[in-house]
Order: sequence, then C-alpha cells, then structure tokens
Amino acid sequence: DIVMTQSPLSLPVTPGESASISCRSSQSLLHTNGYHYLDWYLQKPGQSPQLLIYVGSNRASGVPDRFSGSGSGTDFTLKISRVEAEDVGVYYCMQALQAPFTFGPGTKVDIK
Amino acid sequence: EVQLVESGGGLVQPGGSLRLSCVASGFTFNSYWMSWVRQAPGKGLEWVANINQDGSKKFYVDSVKGRFTISRDNAKNLVYLQMNSLRADDTAMYYCAREAALAGEDYWGQGALVTVSS
Repeated sequence: DIVMTQSPLSLPVTPGESASISCRSSQSLLHTNGYHYLDWYLQKPGQSPQLLIYVGSNRASGVPDRFSGSGSGTDFTLKISRVEAEDVGVYYCMQALQAPFTFGPGTKVDIK
Repeated sequence: EVQLVESGGGLVQPGGSLRLSCVASGFTFNSYWMSWVRQAPGKGLEWVANINQDGSKKFYVDSVKGRFTISRDNAKNLVYLQMNSLRADDTAMYYCAREAALAGEDYWGQGALVTVSS
C-alpha cells in the first residue's frame, strides 16, 4: 500500500498570513495519463470532509482561490494564502492512484 | 443538488453484523464509482472500499477484506456496506462518498455511526 505522510501535524496560523502543508507519498503518484492522483480534503469541526483540490492542483467547485495545490512525483504542497478564520480544521491529503486509497494523518490548522 | 444520505448505523456486539446504506440523488448514479470512508473517534480518515459503476469491480482496505462487502443497486440509487464479524476497532463514523473520475471524492454524506461494543 502507498503510505502518505504530512507535515506539520499541527499548524497555528494568524489570519491574513499564508500557510503551507506538505504531503509525501511512498511512491510516485504520477499516472500514465499524466495526472498526479493526489487530492486534498478539509474536515471542518463537526462536519464531513470536503474536497479542496483534486489531481494535485485543481480546485474543486466553490473552493476559494486562496487555496492552491502543487507538486509532482512524491512531494506535494497545499498552500493557503491569506488564511481566514473559516479555514480552521484538519487537512488531509489522499492518494487515489491505486487501491486501497490512503490518507495522510492529517494536519490540524487552528488560529493563533 | 447532489445528496448522499447514509443510514443503518447503530450499536452492535463484537462478532455481529450490520448493513449500511447510502441513497444518492441529484446525479446520474450509475455513472460514478462510489466509496466508503470511515473515521474512528478522534482519529483520521481511513478509506474502506469502493465499487465501480456496474458493480463488477470492488476494492477493499486489507483490514476489512473477507468481512465487509460493498455492493450497489443502480435501480434504487443505493450503495451498501455489509459488515460482518465486527470488531471493536471497526467503531467509527462511516461516510459514503461519490468518486468522480480525475476529480476526487467530490461529495460526501453526513455519515453513519457504527459502535461495536458489548
């Protein structure tokens, strides 16, 4: 199985500043079709997870443009520019290249 | 509007069985893979299983293989998770999710809580 790691696991942020979360996979997530099968999800307190970014860098419908995804191979980054109070929660990366799909351990983002 | 609504959760004794259901609406159900993802209390997300559009392909995480079965009824827009030989470590909120091609698990239900305890 592909193992996913994230850093940091906890991230206190100041509103208006930027934040970055790193995600690494134990093997390349590059599919033969040229896409990286890496998605980002946010689970806000008390809610179901919601999709933020798919195939590495594409924002899901309705996701603000302050969220961006980048990376290739085994190293990926989620960046939040101008963090807002509503962005608090746990951020997960997930590989969807091969079953079983696997999630990272999660990064808890809260306000300083 | 896309909606996924899970049901069937509850309290069950170790070794018992439970079947979760997820009814979908607002999209062409038989065009999508569907997944189950769980979250133990205070823990992270764990992908459990998925099924393709016609039910001919199914994949599972190792920890549930041989105990859980995913299935679907396209006529009723339903996806199921039959859970047998339940253990305490199966206690979790179970989410149903739509799997969009090249677009992630783009819609999630509100979850069904399964508690395995004597």
